[in-house]
Amino acid sequence: NAGVIQTPRHKVTGKGQEATLWCEPISGHSAVFWYRQTIVQGLEFLTYFRNQAPIDDSGMPKERFSAQMPNQSHSTLKIQSTQPQDSAVYLCASSLGGKAEQFFGPGTRLTVL
Amino acid sequence: GDKVKQSPSALSLQEGTNSALRCNFSIAATTVQWFLQNPRGSLINLFYLVPGTKENGRLKSAFDSKESYSTLHIRDAQLEDSGTYFCAAETSSGSWQLIFGSGTQLTVMP
Repeated sequence: NAGVIQTPRHKVTGKGQEATLWCEPISGHSAVFWYRQTIVQGLEFLTYFRNQAPIDDSGMPKERFSAQMPNQSHSTLKIQSTQPQDSAVYLCASSLGGKAEQFFGPGTRLTVL
Repeated sequence: GDKVKQSPSALSLQEGTNSALRCNFSIAATTVQWFLQNPRGSLINLFYLVPGTKENGRLKSAFDSKESYSTLHIRDAQLEDSGTYFCAAETSSGSWQLIFGSGTQLTVMP
């Protein structure tokens, strides 16, 4: 089992550009989560899906951020018109669903210049 | 205020000694996970707890939902235990999101 896979591992964008981050959950896991880690804010929840349906996006910034899960094998987090304050490590996690242990990918480090 | 308050924020240990990390919850935590973030940034799962205790080698963890806290005990600390330890809680809100503490940065010295 390869664990949760995230690509790319590093991404550098210019201010105003779009960034798309990819996540492949552990096979058989029905829940997929996105978190963000910064020095100042720590680890913050963004959004999650259950059986590909969006369930809770209460942590997502209201503008420019969107997440999709078009099939059970991958999810994407898209940031439009990136700003320097979007620079962070974006972490994807998956779980079997219900009150279950979450397993994290290695993260994508996004740097917005 | 912090929903998950983790202490201490930093800790230095001599190799071979013991220590305890703690998380206090101001939310109705139903499950707790402990992670070690290694120097490469990966979050390594240590424990998943419903109320109760678990032990794995030199690590032992407890979660008391009534008193709203969790602890992680490290026995006979080794150099490879160095890193940042996070606790995270699920709550009774119905959402499966994890709410993280701010971490304990542990340095084990020879």
